[in-house]
Amino acid sequence: NAGVTQTPKFHILKIGQSMTLQCTQDMNHNYMYWYRQDPGMGLKLIYYSVGAGITDKGEVPNGYNVSRSTTEDFPLRLELAAPSQTSVYFCASSYTGAKNIQYFGAGTRLSVL
Amino acid sequence: AQSVTQPDIHITVSEGASLELRCNYSYGATPYLFWYVQSPGQGLQLLLKYFSGDTLVQGIKGFEAEFKRSQSSFNLRKPSVHWSDAAEYFCAVVSTDSWGKLQFGAGTQVVVTP
Repeated sequence: NAGVTQTPKFHILKIGQSMTLQCTQDMNHNYMYWYRQDPGMGLKLIYYSVGAGITDKGEVPNGYNVSRSTTEDFPLRLELAAPSQTSVYFCASSYTGAKNIQYFGAGTRLSVL
Repeated sequence: AQSVTQPDIHITVSEGASLELRCNYSYGATPYLFWYVQSPGQGLQLLLKYFSGDTLVQGIKGFEAEFKRSQSSFNLRKPSVHWSDAAEYFCAVVSTDSWGKLQFGAGTQVVVTP
């Protein structure tokens, strides 16, 4: 009964480095999402995908990239990390549509120093 | 512009007391409405949702929410708070004519005192 699994849970990155945050879901959901959470700001959508091979930008996509080669996996790539990307990142998935119950992973806490 | 507002950033409540968290939205039509809870160090968990019908909806952990169209509100309530209810609570909405993009409020941090 894994649901949405994110790795790693914590990471410290140096400025200019790159890394990939992993997200896997086992619910056969079509839609997947990446959010970032900053104190007092709620969650902001970075990228989303409505199915394998289809991705689109959310509210705050700059500095990030995604791919969706399978239904299960939706990795988030940070290129040339900056301190402004210090945040908690959440992956979520949902079956489809506007009646959109999203299931969230436990998050990745990332610090860029 | 579409928006979701949670007016209270932080609420302190005594264990056993009642709790009400406010949520207001600004959308052209009645959106779908959700409340999520985030316990410390955890992801978000759905408490309850409103799509249509009865304006008083029941959720998990003894929570309920009331949709008031005239006030564009979807306030969350619990009659008697337990220490385990200490968490951050997020109201979220999605437009009924969208693909399903959730818009979150800024969250309300709830502290429960003995």
